[in-house]
Amino acid sequence: KQEVTQIPAALSVPEGENLVLNCSFTDSAIYNLQWFRQDPGKGLTSLLLIQSSQREQTSGRLNASLDKSSGRSTLYIAASQPGDSATYLCAVISYNTDKLIFGTGTRLQVFP
Amino acid sequence: NAGVTQTPKFRILKIGQSMTLQCTQDMNHNYMYWYRQDPGMGLKLIYYSVGAGITDKGEVPNGYNVSRSTTEDFPLRLELAAPSQTSVYFCASSYGRGMGNTIYFGEGSWLTVV
Repeated sequence: KQEVTQIPAALSVPEGENLVLNCSFTDSAIYNLQWFRQDPGKGLTSLLLIQSSQREQTSGRLNASLDKSSGRSTLYIAASQPGDSATYLCAVISYNTDKLIFGTGTRLQVFP
Repeated sequence: NAGVTQTPKFRILKIGQSMTLQCTQDMNHNYMYWYRQDPGMGLKLIYYSVGAGITDKGEVPNGYNVSRSTTEDFPLRLELAAPSQTSVYFCASSYGRGMGNTIYFGEGSWLTVV
């Protein structure tokens, strides 16, 4: 059974810091891994998708890496801004299933 | 673009009542999902579908039922509502599971069972 864990559960940082959010999964036979952002009271917005054959994906100030063999992914946020404040979730699809399984999320607050 | 539309947005149910959460998407997506999110927690998969006429259980299917008679619609049925079903429910869809198949989420349905 696939289990996805995110560390830390919450993070509060001053504006301008570079951040690393962590995601780990127990079954390394994944098809892809995705990072999402969720604003309070809202649905989720997809940020980055990494196929199992890829090592990383970049979008603007966001960079996500994937180490499938160790069951880990990191989301790197450069030069954080107050507008980055949200909950960030990772999710994986295992290779032999179509289930998209989510982690517990990291709640990020960036203060001015 | 409407994307993924969920109704209702808010609902209060009494214990033992039944209701259906509606989800529709206008992107011709094959994959559709229903999740629940409890306060401070991640999303738990209830049911999912990879195409019309095909549904399968997720992590927490007990107390729920789904159907997928059309590509566009994926309703979630709650039978005999219980307080443990108080949660926020999200519907999502994607074309497939490969590269570029972004998953789109609805805005959520807040359900309280009293």
